[in-house]
Amino acid sequence: DTGVSQNPRHKITKRGQNVTFRCDPISEHNRLYWYRQTLGQGPEFLTYFQNEAQLEKSRLLSDRFSAERPKGSFSTLEIQRTEQGDSAMYLCASSRTLYEQYFGPGTRLTVT
Amino acid sequence: DQQVKQNSPSLSVQEGRISILNCDYTNSMFDYFLWYKKYPAEGPTFLISISSIKDKNEDGRFTVFLNKSAKHLSLHIVPSQPGDSAVYFCAASVPGAGKSTFGDGTTLTVKP
Repeated sequence: DTGVSQNPRHKITKRGQNVTFRCDPISEHNRLYWYRQTLGQGPEFLTYFQNEAQLEKSRLLSDRFSAERPKGSFSTLEIQRTEQGDSAMYLCASSRTLYEQYFGPGTRLTVT
Repeated sequence: DQQVKQNSPSLSVQEGRISILNCDYTNSMFDYFLWYKKYPAEGPTFLISISSIKDKNEDGRFTVFLNKSAKHLSLHIVPSQPGDSAVYFCAASVPGAGKSTFGDGTTLTVKP
């Protein structure tokens, strides 16, 4: 059990650029989640995969955001045309059971 | 409309004493509740959970109490240790939904 890994750990980008983050879940976990966290707040749900199927998307996930999980393994989260309001910590989590989630260390995005 | 609220942003206790962290929720559909602990520069770590069919769950020094009629849960840490100093998040899920709704966290400081 090597834990959930996320890359990159930090990303600084200019407004209007596209960014992509990667999450590698714990190998036997078929559920994968993306959350966004801003300073002083708890994680906010973005989207959820069971295997390769994206089962739920939050209203927070505008059409500039897209997530994929090809072959039910790693996942990517892409943000197009980044805005300063996208600056946040993006957390990935995976789980084998329905509720307890194992989080990665997050990717901190700064949009300048 | 914040469905999970942690009204105390911070709590400071002396080593060896009891720490009590509180959480209130508004959505009566929530049926599973979790506590996560977060250290700086790390993702949240699952700590303890409770199903709505129970009113208490204990795991070592950690006990979670659920009062469904008051829509309130609490996490008790006895005895508190300096290593418990972290941000604690309360989270809740509706039946069958993998995603969790998080509170904004309480920063616990345990003083030696």
